[in-house]
Amino acid sequence: AQSVTQLGSHVSVSEGALVLLRCNYSSSVPPYLFWYVQYPNQGLQLLLKYTSAATLVKGINGFEAEFKKSETSFHLTKPSAHMSDAAEYFCAVSDNAGNMLTFGGGTRLMVKP
Amino acid sequence: EPEVTQTPSHQVTQMGQEVILRCVPISNHLYFYWYRQILGQKVEFLVSFYNNEISEKSEIFDDQFSVERPDGSNFTLKIRSTKLEDSAMYFCASRSGLQETQYFGPGTRLLVL
Repeated sequence: AQSVTQLGSHVSVSEGALVLLRCNYSSSVPPYLFWYVQYPNQGLQLLLKYTSAATLVKGINGFEAEFKKSETSFHLTKPSAHMSDAAEYFCAVSDNAGNMLTFGGGTRLMVKP
Repeated sequence: EPEVTQTPSHQVTQMGQEVILRCVPISNHLYFYWYRQILGQKVEFLVSFYNNEISEKSEIFDDQFSVERPDGSNFTLKIRSTKLEDSAMYFCASRSGLQETQYFGPGTRLLVL
């Protein structure tokens, strides 16, 4: 069975500050890992994914995440927060390319001016 | 850019009534999924569908639930006799056969009274 833990249901940063959203996973097989973002009244949009290639993955809107097998982590970062980054972010794991996604609880990012 | 669409965006129903949630996946996609998110809880997998049959389902997806692809474009989720605890946001997703990314629709918010 797989699981995902996102530490911090709410994270608040100032505009221009570093964004760090934490994700730890549990998987008995090499995982596929995803970060999705949800803006108000919209669906889940893929930010980036890890599929066993490079461990540092770059996504849209300046976000990136690093897969660390030893720490079973896939934290999401962005060097400088923008007001438009305010949204809910979900980390998800899959045990195979197309299988079901197991989601974390989500982290709501707030960006202060 | 192609998108997954879902209708209706909101639905209110009485307990015991049947509801059908509709999804139009991205046109060349072959794999289809339903997830739900009860308010304040994680996004949970319900069912995956490929080649006109269910390929995987969760414990949540009991006999009250069914899925169908009636006409080659729509993908529906039917709840036969709704319960209060079925109140949730229901997300449809689709995936092509060539990559692992699931693309999500904006969701249908179902409220059972």
